[in-house]
Amino acid sequence: SQELEQSPQSLIVQEGKNLTINCTSSKTLYGLYWYKQKYGEGLIFLMMLQKGGEEKSHEKITAKLDEKKQQSSLHITASQPSHAGIYLCGAVGSGAGSYQLTFGKGTKLSVIP
Amino acid sequence: SQTIHQWPATLVQPVGSPLSLECTVEGTSNPNLYWYRQAAGRGLQLLFYSVGIGQISSEVPQNLSASRPQDRQFILSSKKLLLSDSGFYLCAWGRDSTSGETQYFGPGTRLLVL
Repeated sequence: SQELEQSPQSLIVQEGKNLTINCTSSKTLYGLYWYKQKYGEGLIFLMMLQKGGEEKSHEKITAKLDEKKQQSSLHITASQPSHAGIYLCGAVGSGAGSYQLTFGKGTKLSVIP
Repeated sequence: SQTIHQWPATLVQPVGSPLSLECTVEGTSNPNLYWYRQAAGRGLQLLFYSVGIGQISSEVPQNLSASRPQDRQFILSSKKLLLSDSGFYLCAWGRDSTSGETQYFGPGTRLLVL
């Protein structure tokens, strides 16, 4: 089965600093999703990546899928307190009609004003 | 626009009692529906998914069950709760497309079994 490992597990940064969160898969990624979760709340969809080398941006958050499609990174530029939360990566299984999303354990981000 | 609701938001139940969690989706039809559980230190675990009314697939054997009585309603149940059933339960919906499927999550139900 596919496993996703996120690093770091937790991160504390000063407001205004840049940061990167990584998600590494044990198998080729056919679809990689990034979500953000605030404690006790549901997941908010950020971005989906499918193609090797693909890069997407939303406001100050950029996600990239490497050429080999086994690692994705999420980069936040000039972090703000509103970026605080848990970031989760999720990957779709291989094969047609596969509905199972496997998630990493998350990276907890704290932003100090 | 589509919205997804979960009820209740929080639940405290004694061991051995029954459970019924409800998830409803608005603004879309024929969605794929999912139940996940998020437990401390274990991440998100897919419990059930459904591609249509009455169609349920179970990913993890357990004392929980799911039902889809209507197109946009997904219910998670148990006849007798265990302590290990405590956790944060999330419902999600998605729809197949040529670019894959993105799952959108509800606000969750926090269950504490005592």
